[in-house]
Amino acid sequence: EAQVTQNPRYLITVTGKKLTVTCSQNMNHEYMSWYRQDPGLGLRQIYYSMNVEATDKGDVPEGYKVSRKEKRNFPLILESPSPNQTSLYFCASSDPAGGSTDTQYFGPGTRLTVL
Amino acid sequence: DAKTTQPPSMDCAEGRAANLPCNHSTISGNEYVYWYRQIHSQGPQYIIHGLKNNETNEMASLIITEDRKSSTLILPHATLRDTAVYYCIVRVDYNFNKFYFGSGTKLNVKP
Repeated sequence: EAQVTQNPRYLITVTGKKLTVTCSQNMNHEYMSWYRQDPGLGLRQIYYSMNVEATDKGDVPEGYKVSRKEKRNFPLILESPSPNQTSLYFCASSDPAGGSTDTQYFGPGTRLTVL
Repeated sequence: DAKTTQPPSMDCAEGRAANLPCNHSTISGNEYVYWYRQIHSQGPQYIIHGLKNNETNEMASLIITEDRKSSTLILPHATLRDTAVYYCIVRVDYNFNKFYFGSGTKLNVKP
């Protein structure tokens, strides 16, 4: 089954404790993205990756890091989480091949709480 | 990418057609119209997209006006499971990773 998986699905942590949210896709997609969703602010893009070793900032990259060492994985790293990073996080992947079919496949989400 | 305007919420009776409007008056000639939906707090789900012509798939139909300044997503027979936030997005096709979701329309399907 084609899917994007995220782990963990729920996480409660404390300020300053480094954490990583993993994202993996099994569709051989080149493009992957991270979003956060907050009430009243909608979905905002954090980082995206065009391919292995190619990443770029989205709209709200501060406080986050990413890496893309393998095509299927795109982990989101919070080196020193703060309470304002409490949010619902989504990973997505898409494949630019095939012309106009820019369908993004989203993971189930990770609900992060930073105390 | 062009900005879109959607009503914040709409109601629809179960079994009836749901027609969700979207205004994109500044759309450029090479920008596509995409629709996604998000059920509760799940990951957004792709529904349909189009450039100029009307499109239909197993989920919905997309009607784009001739001047392309607005579009309508039609769910022909809404069910309770279609209750969700629906996002209309316009974007240049090659700019794959600039996706602006906006506020969307909360569709409430009622029995």
